[in-house]
Amino acid sequence: EAQLLESGGGLVQPGGSLRLSCAASGFTFSSSAMSWVRQAPGKGLEWVSNIEISRGRTYYADTVKGRFTISSDTSRNTLYLQMSSLRAEDTAVYYCAKDIIVIDALDMWGQGTMVTVSA
Amino acid sequence: QSALTQPASVSGSPGQSITISCTGSSSDVGGYNHVSWYQQHPGKVPKLMIYDVIKRPSGVSTRFSGSKSDNTASLTISALQAEDEADYYCSSYRRGDTLVFGGGTKLTVL
Repeated sequence: EAQLLESGGGLVQPGGSLRLSCAASGFTFSSSAMSWVRQAPGKGLEWVSNIEISRGRTYYADTVKGRFTISSDTSRNTLYLQMSSLRAEDTAVYYCAKDIIVIDALDMWGQGTMVTVSA
Repeated sequence: QSALTQPASVSGSPGQSITISCTGSSSDVGGYNHVSWYQQHPGKVPKLMIYDVIKRPSGVSTRFSGSKSDNTASLTISALQAEDEADYYCSSYRRGDTLVFGGGTKLTVL
């Protein structure tokens, strides 16, 4: 069965850094496009970033550009999100998701990992 | 990056049909056939219900259908059931290689 499992969330101070991981299984990760989507407490969904794994092309929302970096390791079938210069408004559940095609529909989602940015 | 516009809430009785709108611009909804709809029950993970405006993923009920006219996409749920009560989000590809979501619509089944 195909699945995604995020890890790495936690409490971090403003200005700090955190790296999220998403372990993928049950599908061909190396030829997929993958996204990170976040949801602040009680709020809606916000797309964060996308990567075309085979081509290495990356895309970012303006709200995180220059602060977050998406990457992948095909030997480990794992997606990453390196977050730096974190702000209170980055507090959210972060989901990794698989794209049907790049920057389009997200047909598989992980359970999410909570990131809290607070002093 | 402004979100797509959805009504905050809609409601309907069991057996009825409801429609949720999603309004954008020619840079997203109106310019591309890459509109999707997601269902999210409280505390749960979003589930893809419609993609590419009108396509249903395998396993999604035929009671769910999508359409688009100009800059507005719509999700219609027919024969409403209690289990359909959830939050619904639209999304669209936006020119410049980004993905944008709507603010979400809370569906209440009366």
